[in-house]
Amino acid sequence: DQQVKQNSPSLSVQEGRISILNCDYTNSMFDYFLWYKKYPAEGPTFLISISSIKDKNEDGRFTVFLNKSAKHLSLHIVPSQPGDSAVYFCAASGGGGADGLTFGKGTHLIIQP
Amino acid sequence: DGGITQSPKYLFRKEGQNVTLSCEQNLNHDAMYWYRQDPGQGLRLIYYSQIVNDFQKGDIAEGYSVSREKKESFPLTVTSAQKNPTAFYLCASSPLGRGNHNEQFFGPGTRLTVL
Repeated sequence: DQQVKQNSPSLSVQEGRISILNCDYTNSMFDYFLWYKKYPAEGPTFLISISSIKDKNEDGRFTVFLNKSAKHLSLHIVPSQPGDSAVYFCAASGGGGADGLTFGKGTHLIIQP
Repeated sequence: DGGITQSPKYLFRKEGQNVTLSCEQNLNHDAMYWYRQDPGQGLRLIYYSQIVNDFQKGDIAEGYSVSREKKESFPLTVTSAQKNPTAFYLCASSPLGRGNHNEQFFGPGTRLTVL
């Protein structure tokens, strides 16, 4: 059973518009959430994160929103740029420690000119 | 410059052979991890280690083995017991401690193809 779900395998957005990537989770023990960006045949790179004690975190064009009651988070990219085309993974960790991250299956974001 | 290196980038092996994937980091991170990625799938945790000479199984450890003899190194052996070894393998590391919130840094990956 998937504990972190990204239900949209792909998303196409016009350059300059807002990209919204969604992520749902089922494990209420998760207390930290991360977004990673990945290009083909490369390792993921960290983008932005949010602690469960917050509901929003912003870094430049990237904002992550967390709705704990709905067990839902989203990543907003404004404005979208061609270089944002990549696969975005939502990941979660729980309870501190170092027992790895639980990843969603990813959403392939395509920015169209 | 600091980072995580994985070698080789591409690896081909015959079915039934064991193969070892290298992962080295000079970030002075305590924790290291191995993940596997298959097409259309997220990353799945194979093994992780929080300290030298200690490691734990992740979600899909069967058919794999690891060692952690040095802080900087966490090699992964894909054994002949692994039923579907062809995949993209990613190594990651992170500093321990609650203040670090388990943010992980990834290497470039190794694409293993078993013929």
